[in-house]
Amino acid sequence: KAGVTQTPRYLIKTRGQQVTLSCSPISGHRSVSWYQQTPGQGLQFLFEYFSETQRNKGNFPGRFSGRQFSNSRSEMNVSTLELGDSALYLCASSAGQGGYGYTFGSGTRLTVV
Amino acid sequence: DQQVKQNSPSLSVQEGRISILNCDYTNSMFDYFLWYKKYPAEGPTFLISISSIKDKNEDGRFTVFLNKSAKHLSLHIVPSQPGDSAVYFCAASVSGSRLTFGEGTQLTVNP
Repeated sequence: KAGVTQTPRYLIKTRGQQVTLSCSPISGHRSVSWYQQTPGQGLQFLFEYFSETQRNKGNFPGRFSGRQFSNSRSEMNVSTLELGDSALYLCASSAGQGGYGYTFGSGTRLTVV
Repeated sequence: DQQVKQNSPSLSVQEGRISILNCDYTNSMFDYFLWYKKYPAEGPTFLISISSIKDKNEDGRFTVFLNKSAKHLSLHIVPSQPGDSAVYFCAASVSGSRLTFGEGTQLTVNP
């Protein structure tokens, strides 16, 4: 079956702009989580959605937001982009609780210039 | 507050030898632990996991050890192969809630 699909794979934006990233989970998976990976920082948790409800939120500013649709697809939005937002954004899905293991997508590489 | 730490940013081993990757955690509520492997330009892939009720779990060449009193887990890869060269992340969760990841260790297996 198809894996977790993230679009676009690469993105270049200018400081101050906003960006929307998309994630399609594995068919049947209702939980979607988002992580940010920057060099030396590991994977930092952004948020988790389950059945269109945000179940958990990480320690990121309000410029970072997300949502999940009825078909379990998810989007995350970053407004007023800063240079420090340059990172690999990873989406992961799971059938139930994500803490027992996710399947990750290949990520969206965002570069802010 | 880094609740999961991987203190070695890199590790280099010879092909055929054992690779030992280490991870320490501070949150005593963590009850489930996982290891992921990541190649460049790809998302992390799940390797092996262990529940806090166990102290060892094996899957082929991969074995994870958990020492709850020391709040320490390790991943052993035997024998190591060049294809194992990747970044390895340990992760932990509390009762299936979100995963908290370490910073990763770059493993290089030399032929």
